[in-house]
Amino acid sequence: EAGVTQFPSHSVIEKGQTVTLRCDPISGHDNLYWYRRVMGKEIKFLLHFVKESKQDESGMPNNRFLAERTGGTYSTLKVQPAELEDSGVYFCASSRAQGSSTEAFFGQGTRLTVV
Amino acid sequence: TQLLEQSPQFLSIQEGENLTVYCNSSSVFSSLQWYRQEPGEGPVLLVTVVTGGEVKKLKRLTFQFGDARKDSSLHITAAQPGDTGLYLCAGDRNNQGGKLIFGQGTELSVKP
Repeated sequence: EAGVTQFPSHSVIEKGQTVTLRCDPISGHDNLYWYRRVMGKEIKFLLHFVKESKQDESGMPNNRFLAERTGGTYSTLKVQPAELEDSGVYFCASSRAQGSSTEAFFGQGTRLTVV
Repeated sequence: TQLLEQSPQFLSIQEGENLTVYCNSSSVFSSLQWYRQEPGEGPVLLVTVVTGGEVKKLKRLTFQFGDARKDSSLHITAAQPGDTGLYLCAGDRNNQGGKLIFGQGTELSVKP
């Protein structure tokens, strides 16, 4: 079974440009989560999809961030326009169900650098 | 404000030594998870503790959840160089599974 995969693994863009990150969850996992770790800080929750619906987007920093999950399969996270403080590692995770006993599997992350 | 305080942030020890990593909060969690992360990889789940006072063992690793479900510890006995890595605690406040609050992590280095 393939794990959670994220593309690209690294991205370097200039301030003001647009970047789109992609996450392919484990097949059959309805729940998909985006997290972000900025330099020197803890990993923070961004949002949660259940299938194609946004269940919780309370962690999204501002309206420059747009997440989609059309068809309930892969998800994209677009940052437009990117700012310097958006630099960090963006993780995607997926799980089959919700609840404390459910394991969420993480992708390897996308390291975004805005210069 | 850091909701889940993890300490120490860095730990460098010799092979064979014991160590304990702590995660503390003023908030109650429905569960707490411990992850290990290797460079260039995502966090990998080691264990989930759910019940207050629960103790789980995974080979040389012992995980404990506080009675009040506000804190947790990870104890490694006789550390080995293969234990080197980033250890993360993460709490679930509302039984929501994947929506987790992470600690800042403990970077462990075990020297041979």
